[in-house]
Amino acid sequence: GESVGLHLPTLSVQEGDNSIINCAYSNSASDYFIWYKQESGKGPQFIIDIRSNMDKRQGQRVTVLLNKTVKHLSLQIAATQPGDSAVYFCAENIVPGRRALTFGSGTRLQVQP
Amino acid sequence: DAGVIQSPRHEVTEMGQEVTLRCKPISGHNSLFWYRQTMMRGLELLIYFNNNVPIDDSGMPEDRFSAKMPNASFSTLKIQPSEPRDSAVYFCASSTRGGVGRSSYEQYFGPGTRLTVT
Repeated sequence: GESVGLHLPTLSVQEGDNSIINCAYSNSASDYFIWYKQESGKGPQFIIDIRSNMDKRQGQRVTVLLNKTVKHLSLQIAATQPGDSAVYFCAENIVPGRRALTFGSGTRLQVQP
Repeated sequence: DAGVIQSPRHEVTEMGQEVTLRCKPISGHNSLFWYRQTMMRGLELLIYFNNNVPIDDSGMPEDRFSAKMPNASFSTLKIQPSEPRDSAVYFCASSTRGGVGRSSYEQYFGPGTRLTVT
């Protein structure tokens, strides 16, 4: 699966540094948010999710922050590794309670060794 | 677990031909989603099924597109007649009802079918 290419915003970081990928979502009624990672030639892969009644959730090396006031979502990756190089998408469920997700346009993360 | 299976992985066809994409969701999952990914429009939801029933097909571009889910383990997305603007990568994803430590919103994606219409 090729991801959106030429016009993606790109974040370039050094191996070992922390990465922060940002996302602005559209619907204040959305109650669920999720981050996906898509490597070249593959389908999107789940990273971490958060519900609207939370403002922070941590996983293994990843943290998602949710600011409902300004409708902003961020993904923090600690100690970024070359294997983290991919396109990252945020997604929200536009219709609360429905499983259908709407995806953002994506950010390409490039990790320099 | 085999994951979501899609076939074919690549399809090249001529304008006007019928194209059928196939998907086998993860066993036990009760929701199935079809997406299209292009450089211009990103990842778009076309249609999704819950318990084999279409719930929302508002993303289906036009009448040339149709999707079926005859049983819990198989779905098809058909384009007839195909046009060059249909060229994209088509993904199928499935999700479960959820459970302890597992969100019902988490979708598992297949590897995609790259469709090229000339």
